[in-house]
This record gives sequence, structure tokens and C-alpha cells, in this order.
Amino acid sequence: EVQLVESGGGLVQPGGSLRLSCSASGFTFSSYAMHWVRQAPGKGLEYVSAISSNGGSTYYADSVKGRFTISRDNSKNTLYLQMSSLRAEDTAVYYCVKDLIAAAGVGDAFDIWGQGTMVTVSS
Amino acid sequence: QSALTQPASVSGSPGQSITISCTGTSSDVGGYNYVSWYQQHPGKAPKLMIYDVSNRPSGVSNRFSGSKSGNTASLTISGLQAEDEADYYCSSYTSSSTLLIFGGGTKLTVL
Repeated sequence: EVQLVESGGGLVQPGGSLRLSCSASGFTFSSYAMHWVRQAPGKGLEYVSAISSNGGSTYYADSVKGRFTISRDNSKNTLYLQMSSLRAEDTAVYYCVKDLIAAAGVGDAFDIWGQGTMVTVSS
Repeated sequence: QSALTQPASVSGSPGQSITISCTGTSSDVGGYNYVSWYQQHPGKAPKLMIYDVSNRPSGVSNRFSGSKSGNTASLTISGLQAEDEADYYCSSYTSSSTLLIFGGGTKLTVL
């Protein structure tokens, strides 16, 4: 079964840091670009970041650029999101998401989503 | 970059058809055939329903269809069923450094 399992969420103070992890199974992780998408409580989806299958290309939403870093370890089938200088507006469920199509580049459609991990930024 | 524009809500009766619009610009929806649609039930992760404007992933009902005209993409659901009641989001590739943007979401109510 294709599965993505996020971990690492929790409560953090403004200005703090947190690292999210996403463990992948059931598919050839190293063949797919991966993404992070977030959803604030009661709000819509917001694209956060992407990384190509070999980790050579990364993309960030303007709202997180310079504060978040996406990375992956293909030997461990794991995706990461290092978040720093966290703000109240970063409070959201963070989803780990898999590209629909195996490719060297980064795609635009996501067929597998994790269950999400909640990040709360509050003092 | 602003989100793509979707109606906040639409509704329809069982068996009817509804259409949800998604309006962007020539830098996203209008410039590329990379529009996707997602269905999200309360408390659940989104599910891919349409990709590349009009393609259905395996397992998605053919009651769901997508199209595009100019800067506006559309999702049509025919033969509405109770289980179609959910939030729907469009997304599009964008030429900005962000790579992809979502619409604000549309709540579909099946009357």
C-alpha cells in the first residue's frame, strides 16, 4: 500500500523552529518529486514547497521563502521540512504529498497525501 | 501571489449537474494546461479528481470532468450524489517562483 506518514508537528513559540518528517512506503520514493501543502484551521489549501526526485531542485512559496527548507533522504525514503522563525500564521496542518507521475522534474498534480501533522505557533 | 478565484459555495440536487469555476491569469491557468482539482471531505486529506485540465486518475468516477477556456478552468460533476458533498479546490502551475497555487476552495452542498 502506498503510504505517507508525517511526524514532528506540535506546539512551538513564535520565532521557534520545528522539523517535520514524512516517511514514505509502497512506491519507489527516489523516482518522485515530493511536496508540502498546508491548511490553516478552517481555511483552504496553501502550497508550501517542492523538491525534485534527486533533491537537486527546490521551490518555496513566497510566504515561507528564507524560513523553511525542504530536503529528502532517498536512502531512508523520508522527506523533511525544516521550519524556522515560525509565525502565528504558520499554524496549520502540514501535508506531505507525492507527485502523480515519476519524473526528473517537479510535477503539478498530487495523487497521494499523508494524514497531515498539526503545527501550532503560539506563546 | 493571490490564490485562484473560486465561488465560495455551490449547491445542487441529487441527479443534477453542477459546475465549479476557477479563474486565474495568463501566468497560471490561462498559460498552461496544468490545472488539477481536489475533493476534500471534512477531516480528511484531499483527493485528486482531475489533472492536466481534463484527465481523470484511475478510480475516479466519470461523473467528474474538467475543462478550460482562457483563464478559467471548470470542474463539472454530473449525476450529483450525496457523497459528492465536500470542499473542492483547483490548483494550477504558475510561472512565478512559487511553482503552484491553489484556489480558495468551493463548498459543494447536495440538497
